[in-house]
Amino acid sequence: DVKVTQSSRYLVKRTGEKVFLECVQDMDHENMFWYRQDPGLGLRLIYFSYDVKMKEKGDIPEGYSVSREKKERFSLILESASTNQTSMYLCASGPSSGFPSEAFFGQGTRLTVV
Amino acid sequence: DQQVKQNSPSLSVQEGRISILNCDYTNSMFDYFLWYKKYPAEGPTFLISISSIKDKNEDGRFTVFLNKSAKHLSLHIVPSQPGDSAVYFCAASAMRYRDDKIIFGKGTRLHILP
Repeated sequence: DVKVTQSSRYLVKRTGEKVFLECVQDMDHENMFWYRQDPGLGLRLIYFSYDVKMKEKGDIPEGYSVSREKKERFSLILESASTNQTSMYLCASGPSSGFPSEAFFGQGTRLTVV
Repeated sequence: DQQVKQNSPSLSVQEGRISILNCDYTNSMFDYFLWYKKYPAEGPTFLISISSIKDKNEDGRFTVFLNKSAKHLSLHIVPSQPGDSAVYFCAASAMRYRDDKIIFGKGTRLHILP
């Protein structure tokens, strides 16, 4: 059973803080993703990583960075949190291309920036 | 510019009837399409997928139809059950081009009425 685990279900942070959201997967997947979900906007891709130390910007990378030092772990970093980054953050992992397959999601982290 | 569009934010269907959720895409490089279901405060879960070499894929009560010429796909749920009430996301990727990013639509909230 694939497991994608996000370190926190709920987080409250102050404006200007540096925030780390951690995600770990146990299926040896090459690909990992960070999305945010907002009402009326669906799931928007922030960053994507297809290998260790490799990353690609998604649709909304501004204000975020990522780190993938090990295959199983993909971290999302909010360099200086702002209130418009209050959202549900979802991490996912999946196998690389050549094996059409779904991505598996974690349970989500609801981040509130005050 | 949205590449995956779900134009109906919500849909209400009587229990036992057919639910039809629609999705349009604009990127002709997309060759793999997925549907996810999401309950509140949980991560999305994979429902069903279809490759562009097919025009139909069926799994129990769920059937996905793909019309490549119209760049349109639909998810049929029959018969609809109360547990089907959730947000449904359509997603697409361009795996043939080794672009594994999965792009989601805004979602459609399905209400199954008793």
